[in-house]
Amino acid sequence: NAGVTQTPKFQVLKTGQSMTLQCAQDMNHNSMYWYRQDPGMGLRLIYYSASEGTTDKGEVPNGYNVSRLNKREFSLRLESAAPSQTSVYFCASCRIGLDTDTQYFGPGTRLTVL
Amino acid sequence: QKEVEQNSGPLSVPEGAIASLNCTYSDRGSQSFFWYRQYSGKSPELIMSIYSNGDKEDGRFTAQLNKASQYVSLLIRDSQPSDSATYLCAVNTGNQFYFGTGTSLTVIP
Repeated sequence: NAGVTQTPKFQVLKTGQSMTLQCAQDMNHNSMYWYRQDPGMGLRLIYYSASEGTTDKGEVPNGYNVSRLNKREFSLRLESAAPSQTSVYFCASCRIGLDTDTQYFGPGTRLTVL
Repeated sequence: QKEVEQNSGPLSVPEGAIASLNCTYSDRGSQSFFWYRQYSGKSPELIMSIYSNGDKEDGRFTAQLNKASQYVSLLIRDSQPSDSATYLCAVNTGNQFYFGTGTSLTVIP
């Protein structure tokens, strides 16, 4: 039982390059989330997927796209990376329910855009 | 106005003391409340969740929720150096979770 996994762990991009961050969970959770964490800013929600087949924008969606590939996998794509997207990206999942909506986080992807 | 506000710290306490962390939130419809611990370079991990007004205790940790005052707190008793980390308060307002910016805690041996 691996929980939430993310790939890659580290990435360096040049401005304008594209990449996809991968996330998978094996806990049979319905909901999945992508956050970015910047110094002094806390965790900010980029996109979320409440269930397979649905995605919604969070607080900071500009410059990103997502795909909920199936119940297990939720990917985040940067089409044209910018230095402002340098950050640590966390994927999380949870099973929304009465008194059971704890989020579990992956190990993070540290992205630098030059 | 931010959804979730935390006392920004940093907070330093001596080993064995009680550490008190505070959080306020703006959405009265919020249903569930969480405290996460995050070590430097690591991902957040759940310390406590609380859903009803009052206190919830788990070992050395006690979460307190007051929905009327829109206030959540975390008390850490008998603080240990291993408790040194950033503590994040989180609130679920429906489908979205909002996080505070975190409070950095250092426990001094």
